[in-house]
Amino acid sequence: SYELTQPPSVSVSPGQTARITCSGDALPKKYAYWYQQKSGQAPVLVIYEDSKRPSGIPERFSGSSSGTMATLTISGAQVEDEADYYCYSTDSSGNHRGVFGGGTKLTVL
Amino acid sequence: QVQLVQSGAEVKKPGASVKVSCKASGYTFTSYYMHWVRQAPGQGLEWMGIINPSGGSTSYAQKFQGRVTMTRDTSTSTVYMELSSLRSEDTAVYYCARALGSLYGDPPHYWGQGTLVTVSS
Repeated sequence: SYELTQPPSVSVSPGQTARITCSGDALPKKYAYWYQQKSGQAPVLVIYEDSKRPSGIPERFSGSSSGTMATLTISGAQVEDEADYYCYSTDSSGNHRGVFGGGTKLTVL
Repeated sequence: QVQLVQSGAEVKKPGASVKVSCKASGYTFTSYYMHWVRQAPGQGLEWMGIINPSGGSTSYAQKFQGRVTMTRDTSTSTVYMELSSLRSEDTAVYYCARALGSLYGDPPHYWGQGTLVTVSS
């Protein structure tokens, strides 16, 4: 079955830029989406269609995709950005089966 | 505003089945697909499947094929997820999540509060 691969953890100091990657064979043809999940809460969509930001999401969150890799960038990461981040996409089977990456724990301290 | 209200926590024995409901409000129920996603304790998000509330068509993750059934009741704007042959590894929080837009491939966006299903003998 289709898989998306993320690094287990990323650590930055406040104010630095955090980059979280997501690799998958179908990403050249399929959009990537990014979710932020804080402890005990439901996920929140922070990037859709590779690089678009939903209303209410701070401008420091951005996304890009090239080839088989999508990247979530948090410019000037803040302590409140510490969370788990998941990429999401669909496989190329035509059935639009979804898949989440394994998640990346972002530490900001 | 979009609201998804799920049924309460469940405790089941191995081998049993569980049926979780998700009642939608604040939008046209039949216009948006609904996803089901689960999260085991301390683990990541796992996509289970999707249902089209308009016609009832479904697509399930291969892992759950044969064990999961997603249905809907348009009269009450409610979707259901039933998982059978439960085992301890199915202990998780189960979420329903409305799609971002009206297209089949649109991702989860509006989430229910989650339903904890515990499988224990």
